[in-house]
Amino acid sequence: KNEVEQSPQNLTAQEGEFITINCSYSVGISALHWLQQHPGGGIVSLFMLSSGKKKHGRLIATINIQEKHSSLHITASHPRDSAVYICAVFPGNQFYFGTGTSLTVIP
Amino acid sequence: NAGVTQTPKFRVLKTGQSMTLLCAQDMNHEYMYWYRQDPGMGLRLIHYSVGEGTTAKGEVPDGYNVSRLKKQNFLLGLESAAPSQTSVYFCASTNWGNQPQHFGDGTRLSIL
Repeated sequence: KNEVEQSPQNLTAQEGEFITINCSYSVGISALHWLQQHPGGGIVSLFMLSSGKKKHGRLIATINIQEKHSSLHITASHPRDSAVYICAVFPGNQFYFGTGTSLTVIP
Repeated sequence: NAGVTQTPKFRVLKTGQSMTLLCAQDMNHEYMYWYRQDPGMGLRLIHYSVGEGTTAKGEVPDGYNVSRLKKQNFLLGLESAAPSQTSVYFCASTNWGNQPQHFGDGTRLSIL
């Protein structure tokens, strides 16, 4: 079973476009995280959410606890945003990760 | 500012060989994790530790053992490597269970 589902799996965008990546989960959670994995493999944490919305630069993350859904938005996308974006949820004892959305931003 | 350091970065083993992957963190984190990442699948938890001297099984523990003798180090052992264990292994640490994790750069392991 997949506790976390992400869509789309792959996404190609032109530089400057507004991008949305979706994450749905099936378990009760205390926190949801968005992670970024660069082509070199390194993984960094972008956001931790338990409610509402957070913004960091051109990245915005939202969560709807009732609908068990979160979105990651990138405004004015840039080629350096090309990476795999991973959603992870924490039901209480461990993290469960989505399979990731591979984003390519073309100049 | 090292953060989480994994060694080695790459390794090729033959079936049946054993090896140990080392994870070291310098942030005084209590929680440490070992994950594997396979194509088309999300990160999957192998084993984790909530403090020095403690370990617990994750989602895919078979074929692996771990030890946390010192707070800063978390070792992952493969006793008898199998081709199914070919994967990229990531170590992560955090100061509390649901807080953002700090990841190492990964170890790419191939078992022939």
